[in-house]
Amino acid sequence: QVQLVESGGGLVQPGGSLRLSCAASGFTFSNYAMHWVRQAPGKGLEWVAFMRYDGSIQYTADSVKGRFTISRDNSKKTLNLQMNSLRAEDTAMYYCARGDENSYGMDVWGQGTTVTVSS
Amino acid sequence: EIVMTQSPATLSVSPGERATLSCRASQSVSSNLAWYQQKPGQAPRLLIYGASTRAPGIPARFSGSGSGTEFTLTISSLQSDDFAVYYCQQYNDWPPLTFGGGTKVEIK
Repeated sequence: QVQLVESGGGLVQPGGSLRLSCAASGFTFSNYAMHWVRQAPGKGLEWVAFMRYDGSIQYTADSVKGRFTISRDNSKKTLNLQMNSLRAEDTAMYYCARGDENSYGMDVWGQGTTVTVSS
Repeated sequence: EIVMTQSPATLSVSPGERATLSCRASQSVSSNLAWYQQKPGQAPRLLIYGASTRAPGIPARFSGSGSGTEFTLTISSLQSDDFAVYYCQQYNDWPPLTFGGGTKVEIK
């Protein structure tokens, strides 16, 4: 079945780095745009980053620009988020999500991976 | 950046009743709006895109309407499974993609 599985979250000190990964299965990964979306504890959804199906276009939110980098490996069906210079306000559940074919909504979501930035 | 505002923050509804959720955009987003449902401890689920088109597998009791700056998600007869938080998201003018703050639908 169509599935996204995130990994790589954990506890990191302020200023540190983490690399999140999202493994896709059950669909042709290389045909779909992908997103990262995060949710701070008890808060709403915040879009973080986008990458076009072929990797030719990427966008990141201003709140993470210059610190986070989205990438993908279509041969491995994997989406990544390299997070550097982490701050306490980056603490959140991070979801990867598939871009909907009919819109710029997100039609398939992973279960999320938790990132905690604390000393 | 387009700001999405949802109201009310919390909606108390009895099972079987109709629920009406609102979402307002700070500028026109045409019909480029999606709705999501999120239950505690779960990832969001796409309900509606294009303001009014149900995603595959979404029950007909969910309907979306509106265009421009005013949108509505209606749940015609609330089932126990529908108590959750609902988010709207615009994709007309981005980046950034922006979400509303959410409406929690709780049991009255």
